Amino acid sequence: DIQMTQSPSSLSASVGDRVTITCRASQTISRYLNWYQQKPGKAPNLLIYAASSLQSGVPSRFSGSGSGTDFTLTISSLQLEDFATYYCQQSYNTPPTFGQGTWVEIK
Amino acid sequence: QVQLVQSGAEVKKPGSSVKVSCKASGGTFSSYFISWVRQAPGQGLEWMGGVIPIFGTTYYAQKFQGRVTIITDESTSTAYMELSSLRSEDTAFYYCATGPYSNSWYGKRAENFQNWGQGTLVTVSS
Repeated sequence: DIQMTQSPSSLSASVGDRVTITCRASQTISRYLNWYQQKPGKAPNLLIYAASSLQSGVPSRFSGSGSGTDFTLTISSLQLEDFATYYCQQSYNTPPTFGQGTWVEIK
Repeated sequence: QVQLVQSGAEVKKPGSSVKVSCKASGGTFSSYFISWVRQAPGQGLEWMGGVIPIFGTTYYAQKFQGRVTIITDESTSTAYMELSSLRSEDTAFYYCATGPYSNSWYGKRAENFQNWGQGTLVTVSS
């Protein structure tokens, strides 16, 4: 299985901050990389698909980049509603696998 | 936009089985890749398997092979996930999710998980 490693595992940030989360795959996955946001008690929500495409309805402050093994999720100006856990997920091979998550908390 | 509604919480004994349902509305049920993803309390996300109803093909994660069965009822646009030989480590939220698929060297790949059910908590306890 392809291992996905996110960093950091958690971070503290303030409203308005620029936040960057990285995700590394254990082998090349081209651009088969998705990002999800999950709030406590809720199902995950797709933010970014195919490494950099913004899912319909997702605010433009979210963006994704990368290819091969290294990927980045950026939140350009953190809002109160963005405090959540973020997961990357590869869809290059079966089984699809997720990173361990990055918890973004209020500083 | 597909809406997915799952069955309610379950409490099961070790060694028993559980069957969770996922009813879809608002989309073309048969043409999506329908997956089941679980999340133990406070833990990450784990894909268990999936199915594309229009092709009748199922895919299972090796970890769950032999213990999980995923089927669909196209007449009611409902997918089911049955997990057998339950143990305490299977206590988790179980989600169904749908999304597009594409061709790959090994068959069909689930491109992403666009729509999610609300989750079903399965508790395994003696």
